Amino acid sequence: ETGVTQTPRHLVMGMTNKKSLKCEQHLGHNAMYWYKQSAKKPLELMFVYSLEERVENNSVPSRFSPECPNSSHLFLHLHTLQPEDSALYLCASSQDRSPSWLTFGSGTRLTVV
Amino acid sequence: EDKVVQSPLSLVVHEGDTVTLNCSYEVTNFRSLLWYKQEKKAPTFLFMLTSSGIEKKSGRLSSILDKKELFSILNITATQTGDSAIYLCAAYNNNDMRFGAGTRLTVKP
Repeated sequence: ETGVTQTPRHLVMGMTNKKSLKCEQHLGHNAMYWYKQSAKKPLELMFVYSLEERVENNSVPSRFSPECPNSSHLFLHLHTLQPEDSALYLCASSQDRSPSWLTFGSGTRLTVV
Repeated sequence: EDKVVQSPLSLVVHEGDTVTLNCSYEVTNFRSLLWYKQEKKAPTFLFMLTSSGIEKKSGRLSSILDKKELFSILNITATQTGDSAIYLCAAYNNNDMRFGAGTRLTVKP
């Protein structure tokens, strides 16, 4: 256990479904991140929240919608996804906005059918 | 455009071998370079390197940074099957952590 918990571990959804990924950190960190990991590609930063405010959105399609209700919880709401969105979605946290090092969750393996 | 390139993309060795993983980077306002190990899903932190030429060691793993030539290496000596994983390199600047695609290491008994 890293102190960052993601649920669900696996998710299969149709292109018309709406689902949400959840991330919770128990480390007292102030910054939280969503990353996408596709096969043989670098980790792609999607969203960054610092003290519950979104500070970065790396041109992510609007079918991905993040929510950070408090510094311990982060959600990624999904709707009308495409098959190419199938990937491992990793949540991470760091002490502050300067990610000297990140603590990752185990990820959600998403398959869009 | 900032980029981090790791090589090789994959590597298969036998237990007891020594391996060297490479990471080159081109990142504006570079601050530090980090190595992570990803076994199943969650990448776990190995090293953070900020200064050139200073080796960091943890057991059989060691790493060094060359800020002049813009690269880092990760060495693993006397490899074990438990070292099988994807090794990720990331370069950090003032705003972001940019990752490489990783090196998949397989250690056979």
